[in-house]
Amino acid sequence: GDSVTQMEGPVTLSEEACLTINCTYTATGYPSLFWYVQYPGEGLQLLLKATKADDKGSNKGFEATYRKETTSFHLEKGSVQVSDSAVYFCALSDRGGGYQKVTFGTGTKLQVIP
Amino acid sequence: DAGVTQSPTHLIKTRGQQVTLRCSPKSGHDTVSWYQQALGQGPQFIFQYYEEEERQRGNFPDRFSGHQFPNYSSELNVNALLLGDSALYLCASSLNPGGRMNEQFFGPGTRLTVL
Repeated sequence: GDSVTQMEGPVTLSEEACLTINCTYTATGYPSLFWYVQYPGEGLQLLLKATKADDKGSNKGFEATYRKETTSFHLEKGSVQVSDSAVYFCALSDRGGGYQKVTFGTGTKLQVIP
Repeated sequence: DAGVTQSPTHLIKTRGQQVTLRCSPKSGHDTVSWYQQALGQGPQFIFQYYEEEERQRGNFPDRFSGHQFPNYSSELNVNALLLGDSALYLCASSLNPGGRMNEQFFGPGTRLTVL
């Protein structure tokens, strides 16, 4: 079945440091890939997405590239801010029998300190 | 435009009881999916409803059941509650299940505690 593996946290960085959160996936089909963010006490928000190989999703300074050859979708940001502190989930969406199902990783908690 | 709404926000039940959680999708959306998020874990797919029918189901027992109404809102029912059912239950809505690009919009969740 489909699965997503992402690096364990927490990841603690100083403000303006570079961020990379690794994510790899296993899927039987050709999935779409997503990064979701969950701020404390809130629901999930879509951060960025990519639907085919070599696509780059980007939003709010974050970016990730769909790498089919390495089955990866690593999240990167060049300079993190305190407001980026949250839990980040890598996810994939595959169409099983024509209906969409989203499979999530376990999440990586990011703490940014001033 | 109201996003996905869920009720109640918090719920406390005891083992063996039954619970019903409710979800109203984002305006214009016709598909509702339910997820269970245990503490410190990623959301796990429970099932998806479209046209008032369950279209896909994750690896959850029959104690978990649902319903979708003609106005696209949905309920999640859990019978014979176990301590392990304690979790944040998330509802997500999207516009029809077809297409690979469909973004799911998530509600804030219902926090269920089973004592």
